[in-house]
Formats: sequence, structure tokens, C-alpha cells
Amino acid sequence: KNEVEQSPQNLTAQEGEFITINCSYSVGISALHWLQQHPGGGIVSLFMLSSGKKKHGRLIATINIQEKHSSLHITASHPRDSAVYICAVSTGANSKLTFGKGITLSVRP
Amino acid sequence: DGGITQSPKYLFRKEGQNVTLSCEQNLNHDAMYWYRQDPGQGLRLIYYSQIVNDFQKGDIAEGYSVSREKKESFPLTVTSAQKNPTAFYLCASSRFTPSYEQYFGPGTRLTVT
Repeated sequence: KNEVEQSPQNLTAQEGEFITINCSYSVGISALHWLQQHPGGGIVSLFMLSSGKKKHGRLIATINIQEKHSSLHITASHPRDSAVYICAVSTGANSKLTFGKGITLSVRP
Repeated sequence: DGGITQSPKYLFRKEGQNVTLSCEQNLNHDAMYWYRQDPGQGLRLIYYSQIVNDFQKGDIAEGYSVSREKKESFPLTVTSAQKNPTAFYLCASSRFTPSYEQYFGPGTRLTVT
């Protein structure tokens, strides 16, 4: 069974700071997902990646398959980035997602 | 606009009662999922369906039931057999299989007293 670990568990930053959130997993995967959950509870998919790097606006996601590790970077952070960031992995085309517990990010103005 | 709707947002029930949570999608996705979220834990899969009239148990299916009579709809019934039903329930859908990008509904917060 794949274990998904996220660190740090809670993170506080000042507006404008560069933020990095990490995710590690224990077995090989076919894809890794980064999700964002706002205080209201709804979840939005940010990225799905299986190699390399993806960028969308101020968000950048990278993955190192050999090291079984992914990072989500937020540049020029803003209070509206405050949310829970969840990492999830799948090990094959028909496999279910395994989720990390999520990291709570608070960005102070 | 395409998306997933769940209703209601908040639901209160007495212990011993069955309750059904609604999930509808108009994304033309084949696969649909039900997850449960508890404080301090990752999302856990209750049931999923990859095709109409077929569904599979997830990791925590005991005390829950589902149906998939239409492609657009995947209701979840929380039965009285579920020992700790109070939780936040999220429905999701994706094209084809679980490894595709999943789209989530707004969730239903169920409180059973």
C-alpha cells in the first residue's frame, strides 16, 4: 500500500513570501495530484503530473520520480492562498487515489 | 456551466435513521466517487463507479450503500449500521478511471446525534 506523507503539517507565511509544500510517497506511481481545499470545504484540482514540472499562474509543481517526492511552490503568496493543500497518488490506470492528510497554509497580510 | 452538485450542504439526522446524500454531475464523466473526510485524516474512498449499474467498494464501505442508475447521478445512503456517520462527505467524478483528474463537488456535512 502506498503511504503519502506531507510536510510540514501546518505552515504560516507572510504575504509575498515564496512557499514550498512537500509530498513523499512510498511506492512507484503513475500520477500525482495536487488539490486545494478552501475553508468552505470544496476541493479543486491544481495539478496532475507524472514527471517534470508544471506551472499555472503563481503555482509550480515538480516531481522527482526517482526520489518519490513532489513539491508545490507558491510564488508571491497572498492571503487568498490560505487553504489546505492535499497530495494524492495513483499507482496505475485503474488504481484508486491514496491521499495525504493535507497541509494547512495560512498567509498573513 | 459543467460541474458537480451535492445537496444539501448541511444535513442533520437522528441516530438510527438512514440518510441519502445526493450527487449529480453534468461533465459526462464515466467514473464517480464518494469520499469521507474526518479531521486530521486524508480523504478515504467509500465507493466508486466506473460505469452505469456497476460500482465497487472502497476502503470504508461498511455501513454505506450506493446506486448508479444514471450516468449523471451517484447517490450515497448512510445507513444506521454506520457506527460513526458524522463527517464531511465529498463526491467526485473523472473521465474513465480514478487516475484521471478528479473533479469534486462542494461536499455535504452530515451530523448525526
